[in-house]
Amino acid sequence: GIQVEQSPPDLILQEGANSTLRCNFSDSVNNLQWFHQNPWGQLINLFYIPSGTKQNGRLSATTVATERYSLLYISSSQTTDSGVYFCAVHNNAGNMLTFGGGTRLMVKP
Amino acid sequence: DAGITQSPRYKITETGRQVTLMCHQTWSHSYMFWYRQDLGHGLRLIYYSAAADITDKGEVPDGYVVSRSKTENFPLTLESATRSQTSVYFCASSWTADTEAFFGQGTRLTVV
Repeated sequence: GIQVEQSPPDLILQEGANSTLRCNFSDSVNNLQWFHQNPWGQLINLFYIPSGTKQNGRLSATTVATERYSLLYISSSQTTDSGVYFCAVHNNAGNMLTFGGGTRLMVKP
Repeated sequence: DAGITQSPRYKITETGRQVTLMCHQTWSHSYMFWYRQDLGHGLRLIYYSAAADITDKGEVPDGYVVSRSKTENFPLTLESATRSQTSVYFCASSWTADTEAFFGQGTRLTVV
């Protein structure tokens, strides 16, 4: 099946810093989503982005499908950005989202 | 309220008991999914359903049973719970297999 790798696995930032999270996948995809799992365990949809670039406030994402990677940018980080960020992909091989291992982000005040 | 809801939020059960986790969505999405989240394994698909009365196995189906008699509900049953099934369970739904999926708030299940 498709492999999804996220980097870095852990990230500690000072409030106000910027960061880039990366998601690499091993095959072509027709769906890619970014999620934020907050400290209460909820999975919150950030972006549905099989290709191209999208922005939502301080967050933006870019997927380059031909090169099999996606990037999530967080600017001016806040303590509420803390949690785990997951990338998940879907391809024609199956009817499910395959998740990466996540990036655990801690933003310090 | 619109959306996808799971119940219960927390459950403790004993080894060998049957337990059912509920999932309800109000969007009339065709697809529904059950995932489990474990440390070291991330989120893994247990079962999914493409429509009412159509279900199929995911990556880790052993020990679980699903049914979908109505579009909006997708219960997950552990017929005889084992300690290895202690996990956080997430239900999700989407219009098709590859459109945006939305997740419920999760059920934390502990088997003692």
